Amino acid sequence: GQNIDQPTEMTATEGAIVQINCTYQTSGFNGLFWYQQHAGEAPTFLSYNVLDGLEEKGRFSSFLSRSKGYSYLLLKELQMKDSASYLCAVRDGAGANNLFFGTGTRLTVIP
Amino acid sequence: DVKVTQSSRYLVKRTGEKVFLECVQDMDHENMFWYRQDPGLGLRLIYFSYDVKMKEKGDIPEGYSVSREKKERFSLILESASTNQTSMYLCASSFSGPGELFFGEGSRLTVL
Repeated sequence: GQNIDQPTEMTATEGAIVQINCTYQTSGFNGLFWYQQHAGEAPTFLSYNVLDGLEEKGRFSSFLSRSKGYSYLLLKELQMKDSASYLCAVRDGAGANNLFFGTGTRLTVIP
Repeated sequence: DVKVTQSSRYLVKRTGEKVFLECVQDMDHENMFWYRQDPGLGLRLIYFSYDVKMKEKGDIPEGYSVSREKKERFSLILESASTNQTSMYLCASSFSGPGELFFGEGSRLTVL
């Protein structure tokens, strides 16, 4: 089976840095995705990691360690608009394009 | 920009009714997916399709069926809606191979 764990809720202050962790246990691995989802809206793609290491994209970075089954999403210089749910998802096998999602982490940014 | 359009944002149906949820994508994607999203459970895959007239069961196919007669359109069918099918339904599409999924805005279904 597939198991993807991430914290349910986090709170952080505007301008600060926050790290959202994701651990996974899947039968295979072919990439890890992070999505952002504002309340009532569709999830939107943030980042993709398939090799170990850090991928940086503006204020957002994502890290992967395949040996540890671990990823994190790092958000810098937090803004109020970053308040949203952040979804970790794993593609479990070569040739398969469907994703298995964690339950999401709801981030609240406070002034 | 990729656009995935779901036919209805909000629906209210009665137990036992047949429900159709339509999804259309405009980027010639091979793959299309139907997920449902529930609090505390995240997104769970119902069905997906790699090609026209092709379908594969996801994690929770019971009580659902799908249809893909054209490449751009993927329909989710609830033959006899039940209250436990009250949920947010999300359609997504992608190209074959590695790459992200693009999601529609979602259809919030309430079954009374």
